[in-house]
Amino acid sequence: RKEVEQDPGPFNVPEGATVAFNCTYSNSASQSFFWYRQDCRKEPKLLMSVYSSGNEDGRFTAQLNRASQYISLLIRDSKLSDSATYLCVVHGGSGNTGKLIFGQGTTLQVKP
Amino acid sequence: DGGITQSPKYLFRKEGQNVTLSCEQNLNHDAMYWYRQDPGQGLRLIYYSQIVNDFQKGDIAEGYSVSREKKESFPLTVTSAQKNPTAFYLCATKTGASNQPQHFGDGTRLSIL
Repeated sequence: RKEVEQDPGPFNVPEGATVAFNCTYSNSASQSFFWYRQDCRKEPKLLMSVYSSGNEDGRFTAQLNRASQYISLLIRDSKLSDSATYLCVVHGGSGNTGKLIFGQGTTLQVKP
Repeated sequence: DGGITQSPKYLFRKEGQNVTLSCEQNLNHDAMYWYRQDPGQGLRLIYYSQIVNDFQKGDIAEGYSVSREKKESFPLTVTSAQKNPTAFYLCATKTGASNQPQHFGDGTRLSIL
């Protein structure tokens, strides 16, 4: 089993749609969680950290479910500019000094 | 990300040649990382360094070498022993706190001539 798993997609949605991605992780000791966005042939950029109580940033909402070991990203009112690959990232857990584990990414394509 | 400079943006390697990718940061971050990304794949960790003059192998260190003589700099050498070096190489930095994210440079694309 991979340490961090994501559905690679692609998710094809119309503008204005709501779309959600899930990501599962295997290390129950993991402490920190992030979502990154990566555009084609560019570097990953931090989209948002994921907090235990869930957090929202504009149209984006992140949730953490420690019991089931998954995190989610919800995008409301999708824009064409949201088209990208979304990377789920998990801190390796206790005793793991700073290593982040990256999922393969989920590709989102927003259509007009 | 501002503050992390990778050079060159594009690099071509001949057979049997070693090449060095530069990563410089002015963020005063303690930790630095090198990743490799192949088309359609996730990031794989090559080497990382938590502090000056110390570094550890990541998941795919074979055929690569690094040094960390200064806090600001973490160069990666792709040696001739790396038989499939064509990839997108990303350098990242992070503060010492464990709950902080990594920030990336804009990458170097390496190809075989």
